[in-house]
Amino acid sequence: DTAVSQTPKYLVTQMGNDKSIKCEQNLGHDTMYWYKQDSKKFLKIMFSYNNKELIINETVPNRFSPKSPDKAHLNLHINSLELGDSAVYFCASSQRGAGRINEQFFGPGTRLTVL
Amino acid sequence: KQEVTQIPAALSVPEGENLVLNCSFTDSAIYNLQWFRQDPGKGLTSLLLIQSSQREQTSGRLNASLDKSSGRSTLYIAASQPGDSATYLCAPPIYNQGGKLIFGQGTELSVKP
Repeated sequence: DTAVSQTPKYLVTQMGNDKSIKCEQNLGHDTMYWYKQDSKKFLKIMFSYNNKELIINETVPNRFSPKSPDKAHLNLHINSLELGDSAVYFCASSQRGAGRINEQFFGPGTRLTVL
Repeated sequence: KQEVTQIPAALSVPEGENLVLNCSFTDSAIYNLQWFRQDPGKGLTSLLLIQSSQREQTSGRLNASLDKSSGRSTLYIAASQPGDSATYLCAPPIYNQGGKLIFGQGTELSVKP
């Protein structure tokens, strides 16, 4: 199936730990995003990569470090996890410059719970 | 700075009603606007993408309109069904900022059988 996939779907961890979330898309898109959905369901952009190059870096603590090994993958590593990092993290992808410019497709989300 | 507002925040209707969800945005310099649906505990499903050059876009029982000059978009759902129950989100992208989507708070729709 063509899609945006994320692993793991659920992540429960202790404060202070380091964890990673992985995202892969097989849609052939050149741009990938990380969004955070907080407890109030508000969705906000964190990062974006275009052709493996970082193009968006919102005001996010530097404990969060994205990495894009290739156009199809965008991973998110979080150091020294804090309680406030608990949220659902969504990966998305799009193709820049196509006819349907920038239609974004989202993954199923990773629910991170920090205890 | 783009701000997106969706009204109403929540809506409960009986099955079969036609309904309108509203989205307003402060910066009219957009090149498209995307409507999504989010089911509880799930990801976002793209419903419609309406280009800035279009005034309407239709998919099945859904019709989205866009009025850039007034900073408004509406999502019309015809003959609502219980399966339409979900949160509906609108999001215009910011082109010169990597196409990042700016989301409203969403409209939580409940369609009662």
